[in-house]
Parts: sequence; structure tokens; C-alpha cells
Amino acid sequence: GENVEQHPSTLSVQEGDSAVIKCTYSDSASNYFPWYKQELGKRPQLIIDIRSNVGEKKDQRIAVTLNKTAKHFSLHITETQPEDSAVYFCAASPYSSASKIIFGSGTRLSIRP
Amino acid sequence: DGGITQSPKYLFRKEGQNVTLSCEQNLNHDAMYWYRQDPGQGLRLIYYSQIVNDFQKGDIAEGYSVSREKKESFPLTVTSAQKNPTAFYLCAGGGLQGFNQPQHFGDGTRLSIL
Repeated sequence: GENVEQHPSTLSVQEGDSAVIKCTYSDSASNYFPWYKQELGKRPQLIIDIRSNVGEKKDQRIAVTLNKTAKHFSLHITETQPEDSAVYFCAASPYSSASKIIFGSGTRLSIRP
Repeated sequence: DGGITQSPKYLFRKEGQNVTLSCEQNLNHDAMYWYRQDPGQGLRLIYYSQIVNDFQKGDIAEGYSVSREKKESFPLTVTSAQKNPTAFYLCAGGGLQGFNQPQHFGDGTRLSIL
């Protein structure tokens, strides 16, 4: 069935440096890829999303890239700040059931002061 | 204020008891979803509904039941058949039948066994 793999599971970066989280998906017909941020004990919140007709999307310090050929997409956070510390989930919407979203297993990002 | 409202925030279940988690939305979402999150883990889909009076099983539906009698409401019942119910339960809503739309989450309900 559809699967989304996410790496790394934990990531620690120095404040001000960049962080990159990578995901791969199995359904080549997937066409919607959201990213969520979940702070400890809170709900996941959508931070950025991208559709398959776009290769890259930016929103201030956050960017997402999509490589449909390789079936992978990545989240890039630049100039990291302490408030970026959280768990980040990638997700993909499979063509076979476009009302569902398949989530990756999450990346715990820690920002070192 | 509005969005996806879940209640209660904390819930305790005795052995052999069924409990119901509430999820209400005022965002006019067609689609609604229930997820289970275990500590340090990702989100697993329990049930989802694309339209009133219709719902489908997700990946871990056993021991759970839902109803969708109104567009605004999608309650989840954790039955006594669910032997390991302790988890964080998240309800979400999506756009037009949820197709390729972002999901917006409620604040969750933490369920524990007494």
C-alpha cells in the first residue's frame, strides 16, 4: 500500500544553521504534500504544502522541494531559531484515495543555543 | 473562536467500558478524520468520513466506532474491544470531500486506562 518514509528521526542543529528533513513516497500518482509541525503536547499544525505541479515553494524561512521523478520531497528551514524545536511530519495524499493523507513517522528537531 | 473542537481534553476509561470522544467543527469541512498518536510516534488513521452518513475504516479501525449524523460532528467511540486504548486522539477536518486539501486538527483528547 501507500507508504511515506521520513528521515532522519531526530535532528539537532545549531541555532542559526539550516535544517533539512527528507521524505520519500511510494505512490507515483500522489499529488499533494503537506508538512506539519507539532510542539510537545499540542496538535499538529500545517506549516507549508506543495502540489505536484510545482517543484519548490517558499514561505519566509521555510521551503519545500519536490522531485516527482525520484518520488521524494524535502523541508528546508533556514536561520533556525529556538521556536523551531518540534516534531515535523511530512505527508502525501495518494491518488487512489485522495481524501486520505499518509503521514511519515516524524522528525524531532532540536535547536541548540 | 472556532475550528475543530475536541472534548474532553483528558479521559479515563475503566476496563470493559465504552467511552466516546467528541469532535465538533464550524469550518464547514466536508471530510473529517480520527487519528491515534502513541508517545513518540506518528499519526495512524482510525476512521474518516467524506460526507454525512458515510464513513470508511482507516488502518487501525478495530475496537473503534464512529458516526456522522451531522456535518459538524464526528464522534469516536472507543469500545471495550480496544485492549490498549491509552493514546492521544486527534480529530481533523478537511476541505471539499478532503481531496488534496490540508487537514486542520483539534487540540486532542488524552485517553488513559484506570
